[in-house]
Amino acid sequence: ETGVTQTPRHLVMGMTNKKSLKCEQHLGHNAMYWYKQSAKKPLELMFVYSLEERVENNSVPSRFSPECPNSSHLFLHLHTLQPEDSALYLCASSQGWNSGSTDTQYFGPGTRLTVL
Amino acid sequence: AQSVTQPDIHITVSEGASLELRCNYSYGATPYLFWYVQSPGQGLQLLLKYFSGDTLVQGIKGFEAEFKRSQSSFNLRKPSVHWSDAAEYFCAVGFPRYGNKLVFGAGTILRVKS
Repeated sequence: ETGVTQTPRHLVMGMTNKKSLKCEQHLGHNAMYWYKQSAKKPLELMFVYSLEERVENNSVPSRFSPECPNSSHLFLHLHTLQPEDSALYLCASSQGWNSGSTDTQYFGPGTRLTVL
Repeated sequence: AQSVTQPDIHITVSEGASLELRCNYSYGATPYLFWYVQSPGQGLQLLLKYFSGDTLVQGIKGFEAEFKRSQSSFNLRKPSVHWSDAAEYFCAVGFPRYGNKLVFGAGTILRVKS
């Protein structure tokens, strides 16, 4: 596997279910990101992890819970979601997260989530 | 606040014609600039980026972009479009004072007619 991978690629869940999205990067990067891409809206940054520490949380509802057990893996745990949470969830990684610089972010293919 | 504007939601061009996608940003200093492309059902692929130096940047797939500080713009161009270029294109801007955070434009959907 190369680059950034995400599983599953598609997920359908009910509002009472609990599920998890997985992201893995094979680039040796130290920062990982979760984005939400909804129809007709710009990409929304949800969470950022740098060296396994959460450094950004952009007012995301608590029904989304991220986890970064090591620098290569990132999870997004989902519970009691709403239909408006249906979207494409993209994971990205970059070399680092440093004020004063911007490292290129590399994206995975995304997980298409549908909440019924 | 920092912002990124892609004025065109949809653009249709004929195969073989030239293409220019517009991107404008709002920021008090020189940002870092990116163009990404997204095919249906896929993630974002980096086309090119500008950090400093030569304001004309070459990318993959025959794309180029020019940074114009006076116009706060970073327009993407391609001299001859191929049908496989049909996709959605996103301009993204990084602001050095704010870590590695990117602000994305709303995207421009490119349709190519034969």
